[in-house]
Amino acid sequence: AQSVTQLGSHVSVSEGALVLLRCNYSSSVPPYLFWYVQYPNQGLQLLLKYTTGATLVKGINGFEAEFKKSETSFHLTKPSAHMSDAAEYFCAVSEDGGGTSYGKLTFGQGTILTVHP
Amino acid sequence: EAGVVQSPRYKIIEKKQPVAFWCNPISGHNTLYWYRQNLGQGPELLIRYENEEAVDDSQLPKDRFSAERLKGVDSTLKIQPAELGDSAVYLCASSLSVGAGNTIYFGEGSWLTVV
Repeated sequence: AQSVTQLGSHVSVSEGALVLLRCNYSSSVPPYLFWYVQYPNQGLQLLLKYTTGATLVKGINGFEAEFKKSETSFHLTKPSAHMSDAAEYFCAVSEDGGGTSYGKLTFGQGTILTVHP
Repeated sequence: EAGVVQSPRYKIIEKKQPVAFWCNPISGHNTLYWYRQNLGQGPELLIRYENEEAVDDSQLPKDRFSAERLKGVDSTLKIQPAELGDSAVYLCASSLSVGAGNTIYFGEGSWLTVV
């Protein structure tokens, strides 16, 4: 069964500082990995996803993530935080293993990012 | 292009009352999902439809929850009777088709408070 662990339920950074949100997954088959962002009182918006190919994935708003199979990780980074990045971020995994769970997204618990002026 | 539309956005009901949520997916999307997001947690899948067929409802509490997607387009999720523990955000989502790498697009959610 697939699962996702996000290390740190809250991360606080200063504006202009590096953002690093950690995500580790477990999967019995090659995973597809996603990062979603959720602003207050809104739904989830896709930031980026890894399916196949290049392991460094670039997304919207300057975010990127690197798939590291040996570490079963998919950490999200942004070189310079902006106040507008304050939100909750969710890592998710999907498997191409067939069956009724095919394509099912399993989410982590979320990480709330706070950006200080 | 319109995104996934959900209504109502907010609902407060007393326990034991019924409640229904409606969802209209992105035009052309065959796959529709209902997720539940409890406070401080990630969303969890309740049910997934391929057109009008429910292909994964293993996490749907069938004693009080029901869902339908009669014409393979919009969908309704119902809770009857509601319990205090049902307070959560109910997220509808859609994708072009089922596929592990396909992007799933989410609506803004229906926020339920049971008092």
